[in-house]
Amino acid sequence: ETGVTQSPTHLIKTRGQQVTLRCSSQSGHNTVSWYQQALGQGPQFIFQYYREEENGRGNFPPRFSGLQFPNYSSELNVNALELDDSALYLCASSPDTSSYNSPLHFGNGTRLTVT
Amino acid sequence: AQSVTQLDSQVPVFEEAPVELRCNYSSSVSVYLFWYVQYPNQGLQLLLKYLSGSTLVKGINGFEAEFNKSQTSFHLRKPSVHISDTAEYFCAVRRNQGGKLIFGQGTELSVKP
Repeated sequence: ETGVTQSPTHLIKTRGQQVTLRCSSQSGHNTVSWYQQALGQGPQFIFQYYREEENGRGNFPPRFSGLQFPNYSSELNVNALELDDSALYLCASSPDTSSYNSPLHFGNGTRLTVT
Repeated sequence: AQSVTQLDSQVPVFEEAPVELRCNYSSSVSVYLFWYVQYPNQGLQLLLKYLSGSTLVKGINGFEAEFNKSQTSFHLRKPSVHISDTAEYFCAVRRNQGGKLIFGQGTELSVKP
């Protein structure tokens, strides 16, 4: 069973640029969510996708956007990068958003540094 | 709105000693409760979860947690820690099925020989 994989592992961007982070969900999982973890903080929910539709969003501005593809992989896009966007971005997948017992399986994250 | 407070940002402890990592939550509705562990340069791994039923929950690696509704707490415990338990631990709540996780700030457990 393949787990959640994220790419790239590390990324350095300049303020004002755009970035795309990628996530392959665990086999059989149709729900993907993204979290931002700033240094020394707990993860903060960005948004969730279920069967290619966004079905939940946290308190993040519209320059944070996402996609989910038919194979349930996902992208997180961030436009007009700011220094405060520097963080570890975590992707998590789960088998079925309708089940309260659905555990979240996390990837190892992408470390984004904005200079 | 829900929130999670982890009362200790750092917990140093000697190997083979017991440890308790404290977590309190606030919510006006029933929630599901979780503990995750994060090793350096890795993602989050689920230690245990409380969904319903018995208030004492056992997880992986010898950890357990007790749900206390009256005190709105979900403290994590281990009777004897190992060096390999050194990591960041996060308490989290989830309000409904499929909902987002709300995490605490984390507790850094440092196990010394």
